[in-house]
Amino acid sequence: AQSVSQHNHHVILSEAASLELGCNYSYGGTVNLFWYVQYPGQHLQLLLKYFSGDPLVKGIKGFEAEFIKSKFSFNLRKPSVQWSDTAEYFCAVNAKWDTGFQKLVFGTGTRLLVSP
Amino acid sequence: ETGVTQTPRHLVMGMTNKKSLKCEQHLGHNAMYWYKQSAKKPLELMFVYNFKEQTENNSVPSRFSPECPNSSHLFLHLHTLQPEDSALYLCASSQGTSGGAGRTDTQYFGPGTRLTVL
Repeated sequence: AQSVSQHNHHVILSEAASLELGCNYSYGGTVNLFWYVQYPGQHLQLLLKYFSGDPLVKGIKGFEAEFIKSKFSFNLRKPSVQWSDTAEYFCAVNAKWDTGFQKLVFGTGTRLLVSP
Repeated sequence: ETGVTQTPRHLVMGMTNKKSLKCEQHLGHNAMYWYKQSAKKPLELMFVYNFKEQTENNSVPSRFSPECPNSSHLFLHLHTLQPEDSALYLCASSQGTSGGAGRTDTQYFGPGTRLTVL
C-alpha cells in the first residue's frame, strides 16, 4: 500500500539546535520527493524537492534534504534552527504507486516548536 | 503571496445546507486538485482535474461534487454533509501535462477553507 511515514509527530528544539526530520516511503519504483512547510496561519509552501541527480538537495531558508534510495528515505535537515522555523513540516512522495496512477501522497506531518 | 486563492476562508454549515467552495489559480497551470486535511491524518487527495477533465476521484462520497469550468477555476459543491466532514479543504494546482498530471509536477497550494459542519 502507498504510504509515507513521518515518525516524529512533535519536535521541540531550542534556537541554534540542529534539526533532522525523518521521512520514509513504501514504494520501490521511481519517485519524486517533496518537503512542504506550513507556518502558523499560513498555507502550505514548498520547501524543497528532489527529482533526479544529486541526492542532496538544498531548499529555502537553509533547509536541505538527502534522498537515500536504499533506505527509502528523504530526511529533512537544518544545522541551526531559528524561532521562525516553528511550523508543521510535511513530506510528500509523487509516484505511480501500485495503482499505476500518478499521485502525490503526504505524510502525517511533524510539528516543530523552536523555543527562543 | 500565493498564486492560488480560495474562498471562503471559513464556512459553517448545517447538515441540510448546500454550499460551494471556490478555488482560483493565477499561475497558468492546467491541473487542479482538492485535498482534505483533518486533524492527525495525512492530507487526503479527493479529486484531480487535468486540462478541465476529471482524472481521479479518490473514492469520495457523492455529497462532494467537484466542478472545473476552466483551467483557472475549481469548485467543490457540498450537499448534505456530515459532522465528520469538518476539516480544512485545500486546493492546489500544478503545470499538468496532456498525458496526465506529471511525475515532476510541483503542486502549489491555496490557504484552504476551514469547514465546520454542525
